[in-house]
Amino acid sequence: GEDVEQSLFLSVREGDSSVINCTYTDSSSTYLYWYKQEPGAGLQLLTYIFSNMDMKQDQRLTVLLNKKDKHLSLRIADTQTGDSAIYFCAVNSGYSTLTFGKGTMLLVSP
Amino acid sequence: GAVVSQHPSWVICKSGTSVKIECRSLDFQATTMFWYRQFPKQSLMLMATSNEGSKATYEQGVEKDKFLINHASLTLSTLTVTSAHPEDSSFYICSASNPGRVAYEQYFGPGTRLTVT
Repeated sequence: GEDVEQSLFLSVREGDSSVINCTYTDSSSTYLYWYKQEPGAGLQLLTYIFSNMDMKQDQRLTVLLNKKDKHLSLRIADTQTGDSAIYFCAVNSGYSTLTFGKGTMLLVSP
Repeated sequence: GAVVSQHPSWVICKSGTSVKIECRSLDFQATTMFWYRQFPKQSLMLMATSNEGSKATYEQGVEKDKFLINHASLTLSTLTVTSAHPEDSSFYICSASNPGRVAYEQYFGPGTRLTVT
C-alpha cells in the first residue's frame, strides 16, 4: 500500500521561511494535500495540488511537487508563531481515501 | 464552507458502557464520511469509511462489532464505541468528503477526546 514519510520535527525563528518535506510511494496518486493540526483540534486543510502540477502558491504557502522523485514540500514564508502546529502530508490512494504521513511538528520561536 | 462538527468534544465514561459520537457536515452533503483514531503524537489511523445509506467499510484490525458506524443521512454519521475499555481511550476524528468536489478533499471535524475510566 501507499507509504507517506515526513520528517518529524522542524524548528525555525519567526520571520524565517519553513520548508516541510514529504515523500510518497504511489505514483498514481492524483491529489496531494497539506493539513495543519493545532493541539487538541482537528485537521485544517491548507492546500492541495493536482499531480500534473509542479507548483502551487497560495499567499504565504508554496507547494512544490517533484513527481519523478515522489517528493512534495510545503514552504511557509515569513513564518509566524501562530504557524506552530503539526503539519500532515496526505495523498489520495484510491477514490477519496487518504493516506497520511506521521506529521511534522513545526515550532516557531520568537 | 465545508464545515464539519463533532459532538461531544470530550467525554469520560466508565468501563463497560457505550459512547456515541456524532459527526455532521453543516454546509454540504457528505456522501462519504471517514472515522479516524489518533494516538498522542501519532498520525491518523483510518478506522472505517461510511457511505450514506450503506454499511461501513472497516479497515483491517478494526472490530466492527465494537465500533458501530451509522451514516443514516447525507449530513450525519455516528460512531458508537460499545463496551468501552480503557484501551479505547483516544482522540477520534471524523471527516467528510463530497465526491462532487474536484480534489476529493476531506474536511475534518474538531475531534472527540474519549477517556474510559
